[in-house]
Amino acid sequence: DAGVIQSPRHEVTEMGQEVTLRCKPISGHDYLFWYRQTMMRGLELLIYFNNNVPIDDSGMPEDRFSAKMPNASFSTLKIQPSEPRDSAVYFCASSFGRGRTDTQYFGPGTRLTVL
Amino acid sequence: AQSVTQLDSQVPVFEEAPVELRCNYSSSVSVYLFWYVQYPNQGLQLLLKYLSGSTLVKGINGFEAEFNKSQTSFHLRKPSVHISDTAEYFCAVSLTQGGSEKLVFGKGTKLTVNP
Repeated sequence: DAGVIQSPRHEVTEMGQEVTLRCKPISGHDYLFWYRQTMMRGLELLIYFNNNVPIDDSGMPEDRFSAKMPNASFSTLKIQPSEPRDSAVYFCASSFGRGRTDTQYFGPGTRLTVL
Repeated sequence: AQSVTQLDSQVPVFEEAPVELRCNYSSSVSVYLFWYVQYPNQGLQLLLKYLSGSTLVKGINGFEAEFNKSQTSFHLRKPSVHISDTAEYFCAVSLTQGGSEKLVFGKGTKLTVNP
């Protein structure tokens, strides 16, 4: 298996632009997670899905952030409009089974820079 | 509130020396504990996890961790490190919050192995 795939790996954009990050989870996994990593705040869970349904989005910082999972093999995280404070590395992860005890498999991340 | 504290943000060691990366958690309920490793420019991958049973858990690459309930600790150890162990290490606790299950990560410890 190719593992969790994220695209793009790097994104540089200007403040106010829309940014879309993409994730393909490992085939057969039923949980998908979006995380953000910054120096100040560490690794934070933004949202997670179970069987394509959003379960907990309490970590989404504000309405500018939205996430979708239209099918079991694809998810997007969108920021509109983007701001410099959104600059971070965004990780997607997936797991199989009841999330609390199961291993999460992380993608390589998307490094976002908002100028 | 439940949280994870990694006591050292950076740990430099020489090759073939032993290392211990410290992690303490705060929780009043049963916990599941994890250590993940992040190599430069990569996503996180699981080193080991404690779910139940023996308090000494062995993981990949010669790492092990000991769950100590009375001290609420889950320290990671390796008796002899290699240059290739240079990475950032994250301790995490799996918990149920507001009816949903999630991993809460510590801020990470950067391990640098010098020749």
